Amino acid sequence: DAKTTQPPSMDCAEGRAANLPCNHSTISGNEYVYWYRQIHSQGPQYIIHGLKNNETNEMASLIITEDRKSSTLILPHATLRDTAVYYCIVRIQGAQKLVFGQGTRLTINP
Amino acid sequence: SAVISQKPSRDICQRGTSLTIQCQVDSQVTMMFWYRQQPGQSLTLIATANQGSEATYESGFVIDKFPISRPNLTFSTLTVSNMSPEDSSIYLCSVDLRQGSEAFFGQGTRLTVV
Repeated sequence: DAKTTQPPSMDCAEGRAANLPCNHSTISGNEYVYWYRQIHSQGPQYIIHGLKNNETNEMASLIITEDRKSSTLILPHATLRDTAVYYCIVRIQGAQKLVFGQGTRLTINP
Repeated sequence: SAVISQKPSRDICQRGTSLTIQCQVDSQVTMMFWYRQQPGQSLTLIATANQGSEATYESGFVIDKFPISRPNLTFSTLTVSNMSPEDSSIYLCSVDLRQGSEAFFGQGTRLTVV
């Protein structure tokens, strides 16, 4: 079973920051938080991952709380092409398997 | 990154028949993964394909229904056997370039069984 909880859907206005929350209250010390997204009819796409420090790349920022029980994915300037299902996954470093939850369906509105 | 090609991209099949899906990667990888995504649902791991050994199946999936081949480090096939309409799903191939790194996915095979 997935170890994460996400809201089923969210809306965001184009150009604004999209903040997607994820709860992972049972996360272990050696588990990383990964984020993927799936645009309609495509395979999932890796976005970002982190252990305990905040991370940023060209796509997004990941904010992990100090107790690591929750995190937020931030898309700083959402565009219509960011409309997708976003999956938050916890995974042991070195483990291969990904366990997907139901994700958050993010809709960016013009 | 890795480029993953899946064939076919989609197919419509008669019940009782079998379909073999191919997954080709542009680099050598130790493990390849096969997922199923039923309509409106999330992804579920079917099995892990290891080169040179039998695939490892997740609970609820069996080799007789989903036989997997892994002849080399860049290629794998998944067969959906004796299909029924309940097998209508998107089947996705995935790889990790190195242990614990981000996973890369193919574009999937959309299967409809009629």
